[in-house]
Amino acid sequence: DTAVSQTPKYLVTQMGNDKSIKCEQNLGHDTMYWYKQDSKKFLKIMFSYNNKELIINETVPNRFSPKSPDKAHLNLHINSLELGDSAVYFCASSPYLTSLETQYFGPGTRLLVL
Amino acid sequence: AQSVTQLGSHVSVSEGALVLLRCNYSSSVPPYLFWYVQYPNQGLQLLLKYTSAATLVKGINGFEAEFKKSETSFHLTKPSAHMSDAAEYFCAVSDNDSSYKLIFGSGTRLLVRP
Repeated sequence: DTAVSQTPKYLVTQMGNDKSIKCEQNLGHDTMYWYKQDSKKFLKIMFSYNNKELIINETVPNRFSPKSPDKAHLNLHINSLELGDSAVYFCASSPYLTSLETQYFGPGTRLLVL
Repeated sequence: AQSVTQLGSHVSVSEGALVLLRCNYSSSVPPYLFWYVQYPNQGLQLLLKYTSAATLVKGINGFEAEFKKSETSFHLTKPSAHMSDAAEYFCAVSDNDSSYKLIFGSGTRLLVRP
C-alpha cells in the first residue's frame, strides 16, 4: 500500500539507450512531479503535471519526455541517454497544484549511465 | 528568482545534544517554507512547513523551526539529537514567480555521534 511507487529502483544502462521510469500514486492526488537529484544531493524540479496537464517544464532537454496516462501515473521516458543523466530521479505527488501542499515523494530511481 | 541557502553541508552532533540546521531564503516577500528529511536510500519526507500562520512551527520527531522575517531565516532545531535523526535535511521555499514550484537548498547531512 505504498503511497508513491517508482519502478525500477535501479537502472544501469549504456550511453545512447532509451529508458523509461514509471511512477504511480494511490493517494488520489491531482498533481505529480519529477525531480532530479545529482551526485551532490542537489534536488531540482524537472516537470509537474496537474490532472494530466503539463504545468512546469524546467528547461529540461527534450530527450526527456514525461507522459501522464491518467492522474495516478506519471512516467518519464529518456532518449539517447548521456553520462550526465546519471542521477537519482524522484517522483512526487501533492493533493493540488500549489506549493502550500505537502509533496509526497517516491523512493527514487537510481540511474547509472555507463 | 527565489533562492535558499543552507549553511554547512555537514553537521555533526553528539547524541542528546542540540541540533541546529540553518536555512536562509532570499526573498523580501515572506514565502512558504519547508523542511524535508531524506533517510538513506529513501525519498524525501516532510518534517514541517511554514505557511504564514504561527512563526514557530512544530513538526514530526520533535523538530521545530522558527520563521524570522528580519533575518530571512527558517532554522531547524531539535533539543536532543537521537541516533535515528541521522539523515539529509533539505530546506525548501516556494517560488515567487510560480506559486506551485518548490526550490530546494543543497541539503545538510546530519551526523549523530554516540
